[in-house]
Amino acid sequence: ETGVTQTPRHLVMGMTNKKSLKCEQHLGHNAMYWYKQSAKKPLELMFVYSLEERVENNSVPSRFSPECPNSSHLFLHLHTLQPEDSALYLCASSQGRGVNTEAFFGQGTRLTVV
Amino acid sequence: RKEVEQDPGPFNVPEGATVAFNCTYSNSASQSFFWYRQDCRKEPKLLMSVYSSGNEDGRFTAQLNRASQYISLLIRDSKLSDSATYLCVVNLNTGNQFYFGTGTSLTVIP
Repeated sequence: ETGVTQTPRHLVMGMTNKKSLKCEQHLGHNAMYWYKQSAKKPLELMFVYSLEERVENNSVPSRFSPECPNSSHLFLHLHTLQPEDSALYLCASSQGRGVNTEAFFGQGTRLTVV
Repeated sequence: RKEVEQDPGPFNVPEGATVAFNCTYSNSASQSFFWYRQDCRKEPKLLMSVYSSGNEDGRFTAQLNRASQYISLLIRDSKLSDSATYLCVVNLNTGNQFYFGTGTSLTVIP
């Protein structure tokens, strides 16, 4: 419906597990983003890819590792996470730079680290 | 200092009321401005872009004051379905960075 799809929708993982979040956009956009949304906090920008190159990395711990194999796909690889990493992880895409180019979001992956 | 600041609310208003949300941003180089709506446990969705001259979409009116670095959203004749969190968003357009406020929670009461 939104043109940006994320899988899985829900994920429970142990602190020693390795998992990956997937995002795919069908809008022909050239920029993709990972955001983290925790309770009572604003959306925190984690990573930005523009034309498949990482252009932003907001001091995110190395236990989060992004991958952008092409302009339509974005992954977030997770390993040795902490309970405080439990949050809603949102992927978004946009048509890169330009005035009033809005971001379109996927439905998010609700992650619980146990 | 936060890039975008909003009053988190909550705002509880009766049906039919008019409610206004305000937002300030810190970076004067910001070029694009938006209001997003986020329903409980859902992703944010664009409500409306905010243009320099102000713009209206049905019951919703957005205003931008660049001198004061201030954005507003006015909702007239509130409906129950307007209950949601409203997010103020700015983009520098020098890079691909959208900055979000914490959101303002609105509940419209029958």
